[in-house]
Amino acid sequence: ILNVEQSPQSLHVQEGDSTNFTCSFPSSNFYALHWYRWETAKSPEALFVMTLNGDEKKKGRISATLNTKEGYSYLYIKGSQPEDSATYLCALPFNLNSGGSNYKLTFGKGTLLTVNP
Amino acid sequence: GAGVSQSPSNKVTEKGKDVELRCDPISGHTALYWYRQSLGQGLEFLIYFQGNSAPDKSGLPSDRFSAERTGGSVSTLTIQRTQQEDSAVYLCASSSRYSTNTQYFGPGTRLTVL
Repeated sequence: ILNVEQSPQSLHVQEGDSTNFTCSFPSSNFYALHWYRWETAKSPEALFVMTLNGDEKKKGRISATLNTKEGYSYLYIKGSQPEDSATYLCALPFNLNSGGSNYKLTFGKGTLLTVNP
Repeated sequence: GAGVSQSPSNKVTEKGKDVELRCDPISGHTALYWYRQSLGQGLEFLIYFQGNSAPDKSGLPSDRFSAERTGGSVSTLTIQRTQQEDSAVYLCASSSRYSTNTQYFGPGTRLTVL
């Protein structure tokens, strides 16, 4: 069983605040890490796929870093806006088949971010 | 282009009834996945299709759950004799061939079993 932990479980910030949250995972047999953003009543939206230790990815005001040796990834949001309110999920592949093609994702329980105007 | 679609968006059923949930993946995506999220839980893997075959059914919670995929496209998840613990949001995702590729999710079907 692959244990993916996310913290905090929920977070309330004021508009304009910067914030960050964590995804922790076993550092052995790392292959890739995915961040998704899931707004209520919408589809989970892919933010980043990260594969290399030290990776940093950025999309607008959202960025992520990856440390595969110690088994964590941080997601940062700079200058939070109410439209950033969503659940942020991280996920890792599990039971990668020997052919290396396609896999199931094991998800953390997510961090629910609420940005107050 | 069109994304992953799922139907129905909401389903309310009585305990003991059968339900069918449908997923239309992105055209050309060979892999299709079903997940569910129960209240207070993370997204839980159910089953994975590569083409029409299902190499990994390990997440199906009981033999009341089954899924099929036809023509390498549409998939149906069937739950027989529904129980209250089956209430959840059922999500479908699809991806192209290679293992680091992003999985694209549909909007989900919210199933409520009374």
